[in-house]
Amino acid sequence: SQTIHQWPATLVQPVGSPLSLECTVEGTSNPNLYWYRQAAGRGLQLLFYSVGIGQISSEVPQNLSASRPQDRQFILSSKKLLLSDSGFYLCACMGLAGADTQYFGPGTRLTVL
Amino acid sequence: GEDVEQSLFLSVREGDSSVINCTYTDSSSTYLYWYKQEPGAGLQLLTYIFSNMDMKQDQRLTVLLNKKDKHLSLRIADTQTGDSAIYFCAVPGTYKYIFGTGTRLKVLA
Repeated sequence: SQTIHQWPATLVQPVGSPLSLECTVEGTSNPNLYWYRQAAGRGLQLLFYSVGIGQISSEVPQNLSASRPQDRQFILSSKKLLLSDSGFYLCACMGLAGADTQYFGPGTRLTVL
Repeated sequence: GEDVEQSLFLSVREGDSSVINCTYTDSSSTYLYWYKQEPGAGLQLLTYIFSNMDMKQDQRLTVLLNKKDKHLSLRIADTQTGDSAIYFCAVPGTYKYIFGTGTRLKVLA
């Protein structure tokens, strides 16, 4: 079965600093990959998804970007963090053969001060 | 576009049944899903139902699907304190899921 790793688990960053969150997937190939953000006490907001290496679709215009340099690696970045970027960031994977089920990583808690 | 609605909060007493409801506007997906999120954790796939089924039972969980009314529900029998969490329904679209807002279930001892 697939396993999704995210790091770091928690992060505290000052406003204006850069950001890099990483997600890697094991146990599957050519998956669809997703980045979600969850604000405190709120639902999920889809930020980006990728159906293949170098293919990124953005759902919400903002100061974040995503990249997929390898088949099972998905990176979320920012050049300058805003206070509003604080939240719980979740990576998800879909694409086990014959199924369209999404599986989630453990998440990264980002606090921007 | 697709829209998925859930009530935000549900409070039940330990041992009672919980029913979490979800309505959606459109789905041509083969499956519809329920996820559970415990505090500080990612989403865990809880159960799913095949779109040509009306009901699926899995131990304490029962999923009901009314395709005509576009209504999905999750019933948890004999609710325990460990069931306290946020529950999301999810309806797959093209390449991506549409998630409901999540229902926060609080179980009172």
